[in-house]
Amino acid sequence: DAGVTQSPTHLIKTRGQQVTLRCSPKSGHDTVSWYQQALGQGPQFIFQYYEEEERQRGNFPDRFSGHQFPNYSSELNVNALLLGDSALYLCASSRTGDSMNTEAFFGQGTRLTVV
Amino acid sequence: AQKITQTQPGMFVQEKEAVTLDCTYDTSDPSYGLFWYKQPSSGEMIFLIYQGSYDQQNATEGRYSLNFQKARKSANLVISASQLGDSAMYFCAMREGQINTGNQFYFGTGTSLTVIP
Repeated sequence: DAGVTQSPTHLIKTRGQQVTLRCSPKSGHDTVSWYQQALGQGPQFIFQYYEEEERQRGNFPDRFSGHQFPNYSSELNVNALLLGDSALYLCASSRTGDSMNTEAFFGQGTRLTVV
Repeated sequence: AQKITQTQPGMFVQEKEAVTLDCTYDTSDPSYGLFWYKQPSSGEMIFLIYQGSYDQQNATEGRYSLNFQKARKSANLVISASQLGDSAMYFCAMREGQINTGNQFYFGTGTSLTVIP
């Protein structure tokens, strides 16, 4: 059973460009959350998708947008990249209705470098 | 205010010794869960242990145990018999049950643990 898979693993972009990161959730999971982890920091919640809609959003600008597909996979898009967007982007999947004690499963992340 | 505070940026422990990683939290939600994750250099977050706000006993999972002091709002991770493979970043995280129905996690800034042979 494959866990959460993210692609690409590494990415280098130029300031001002746009980037798309992809995530396939663990089998049986229907909810995908995205987190940004800057160097030396803990992950920060960007947003969560369920039933192809954004259900909850953290404190991130509109340059960050997402999408969820009918197969529950998800994309994170970042427009007008800034140097400060350089970070590890983590995808986490879970099942709606999971009890409080159910851990989220994380992918290995996409390391984005903006130059 | 920070939801999760980890005050130890780095810790060292001798192999086979026990180590405690500190975590304090802040929430007004009576229902919450506390998690510890391990993050090796590969980047993946690996779930270690969970403690619910209504749990009467401290959680244990193999060599990991959680020292839960609800009145002090602390949830310290204890790793017994440290192994070289325990060297990694450790994150404390919280999920709120009533206020935050989206199940988002709040993470601390992490503690870097180094196990010395």
